[in-house]
Amino acid sequence: QQQVKQSPQSLIVQKGGISIINCAYENTAFDYFPWYQQFPGKGPALLIAIRPDVSEKKEGRFTISFNKSAKQFSLHIMDSQPGDSATYFCAASSLGGNEKLTFGTGTRLTIIP
Amino acid sequence: DAGVIQSPRHEVTEMGQEVTLRCKPISGHDYLFWYRQTMMRGLELLIYFNNNVPIDDSGMPEDRFSAKMPNASFSTLKIQPSEPRDSAVYFCASSFSGNEQFFGPGTRLTVL
Repeated sequence: QQQVKQSPQSLIVQKGGISIINCAYENTAFDYFPWYQQFPGKGPALLIAIRPDVSEKKEGRFTISFNKSAKQFSLHIMDSQPGDSATYFCAASSLGGNEKLTFGTGTRLTIIP
Repeated sequence: DAGVIQSPRHEVTEMGQEVTLRCKPISGHDYLFWYRQTMMRGLELLIYFNNNVPIDDSGMPEDRFSAKMPNASFSTLKIQPSEPRDSAVYFCASSFSGNEQFFGPGTRLTVL
């Protein structure tokens, strides 16, 4: 069964610190890896995504690091802010895009002052 | 654009009753997805459509669940009969040609 394993389940980081969320996958056919951000009472929204032809992608304070040989990828949030407090989901797809995403179980991130 | 619209936002029903969740995708989008979110299982894809045609329903938990998309601007997810274990938040999402999925606000279903 295609799975994406995400850790930690919850994370508390001080304001200004670095938040790191990790995901691992099994299916080597996965070729698209997005991260979604979800605020309470809202649906998830695409934050950043990467394809396996690069090892890192950065957008502002958010960076995805990708290790194809280890089948792992991670989200780094630099200079974490209280507004970043949300649930983050990693996901993967083998269709090159956003069709049929397999989601991780989510990480609840809390940024404290 | 108003985004993906889902109704109702909250639904409380009794075990055995029929439940119908509704979704209006973003105009022009050709993909529509139904997800279920629970604390235990996270976000699960139930079914998705392309150009109103069901492409993959392997995530539909059992025959009590059915989904239809009669036209490009409307889809329903029906549970009949409903059971307490169906309690969850159900999301609809749409996308254009496999690009970013846009999620609706969800329907919180409680089956007593």
